[in-house]
Amino acid sequence: EVQLVESGGGLAQSGRSLRLSCTASGFSFYDYAISWVRQGPGKGLEWVGFIRSNSYGGTTEYAASVKGRFIISRDDSRNKAYLQIDSLTDEDTALYYCARDRYYGDRVVFRGLDVWGPGTPVTVSS
Amino acid sequence: EMTQSPATLSVSPGERASLSCRASQSVTNKLCWYQQKPGQAPRLLIYDASTRATGISVRFSGSGSGTEFTLTISSLQSEDSAVYYCQQYAYWPYSFGQGTKLDI
Repeated sequence: EVQLVESGGGLAQSGRSLRLSCTASGFSFYDYAISWVRQGPGKGLEWVGFIRSNSYGGTTEYAASVKGRFIISRDDSRNKAYLQIDSLTDEDTALYYCARDRYYGDRVVFRGLDVWGPGTPVTVSS
Repeated sequence: EMTQSPATLSVSPGERASLSCRASQSVTNKLCWYQQKPGQAPRLLIYDASTRATGISVRFSGSGSGTEFTLTISSLQSEDSAVYYCQQYAYWPYSFGQGTKLDI
């Protein structure tokens, strides 16, 4: 079964750091980019960042609102992607999803964010 | 920036719903639609503006290009009650619309 599962969320203090994990199974993780999307309480979806396949350099893109505080990385040997959040603020309180993004096979193919994890909640307390 | 309208739409079972998404600049056909039910992760419905994702009912159809897009849901069923989001992937950063809540 093709699956993504996030972990690492919880209660964290304002100003501290937190690292979330996204574990993939059932597909060739190394061939895919991963996006991270968050959803604040009662709010809509906010895309926060993306990491390419290592075959395309494993480079990253970020939303302007999080650039400089969020760092996305990946470890293909563990089928994991990571989202590190530094200098946590109240505005980071949200449910964080990872989603399967572009396929980097013979050619780059994007067919939507087609696989999502159930999300991991982050609550920032001041 | 992606703008969806209306914010809320109430439709009777069996009818058809049309949800709108407008982009502040052209995204060509690089647009997706997602459905999100309470307590669940989003589910991909449509990519490339009009291509249904795997396993998605033919009752869901997408149209449009450039800056104006529509998601049409025909023969509405109670299970279609959800929030629907559009998302552009033509340029960085990706962006989502604010969502349309559909009540059946």
